[in-house]
Amino acid sequence: SQTIHQWPATLVQPVGSPLSLECTVEGTSNPNLYWYRQAAGRGLQLLFYSIGIDQISSEVPQNLSASRPQDRQFILSSKKLLLSDSGFYLCAWSTPMNTEAFFGQGTRLTVV
Amino acid sequence: GDSVTQMEGPVTLSEEAFLTINCTYTATGYPSLFWYVQYPGEGLQLLLKATKADDKGSNKGFEATYRKETTSFHLEKGSVQVSDSAVYFCGMGRPQGAQKLVFGQGTRLTINP
Repeated sequence: SQTIHQWPATLVQPVGSPLSLECTVEGTSNPNLYWYRQAAGRGLQLLFYSIGIDQISSEVPQNLSASRPQDRQFILSSKKLLLSDSGFYLCAWSTPMNTEAFFGQGTRLTVV
Repeated sequence: GDSVTQMEGPVTLSEEAFLTINCTYTATGYPSLFWYVQYPGEGLQLLLKATKADDKGSNKGFEATYRKETTSFHLEKGSVQVSDSAVYFCGMGRPQGAQKLVFGQGTRLTINP
């Protein structure tokens, strides 16, 4: 069966520090991968999606970047965090022909 | 472009009340539609989905019907329970090409005993 792992679960980082959140998928090949952000009390904002290695689309101009070094690994990064980067970050995957997405447990990031 | 608009919350109901959370979409073609539920501190779980017009998705007493004529996918439940308290997200996606899943803003539901 397919599983998705996202870590860490919580993270407190000072303003100006770097960020690296990792997401890996097991049990499937060539998944579509997504990073979403959920700000407090708000909905889901799509940040990045990827249909293959080194094929990443950015939805919102921002302080973040994404990379996909392996087929089932998706990394969200920042060189210098801002206070506004605080939020709940969710990784998700789907198969190309199945519009259902499977979500990780999320990372709560607090920038202080 | 593709978008999903859902009923703003929060919604507060008493146990055993009837629930409706409205969801409408804007898209060309024939997207698939779904509802996800998020319990506190967790990721999203698929609640139900429908892949073509007039399909009805159902799960755990929740239902939603894909209405192409009104571009809607409203979530309903006849008798809610305290355990249904969560945030509900309406979303859509396409099965072809670069698939981008789009979600509404989410509706926080609180059920009081």
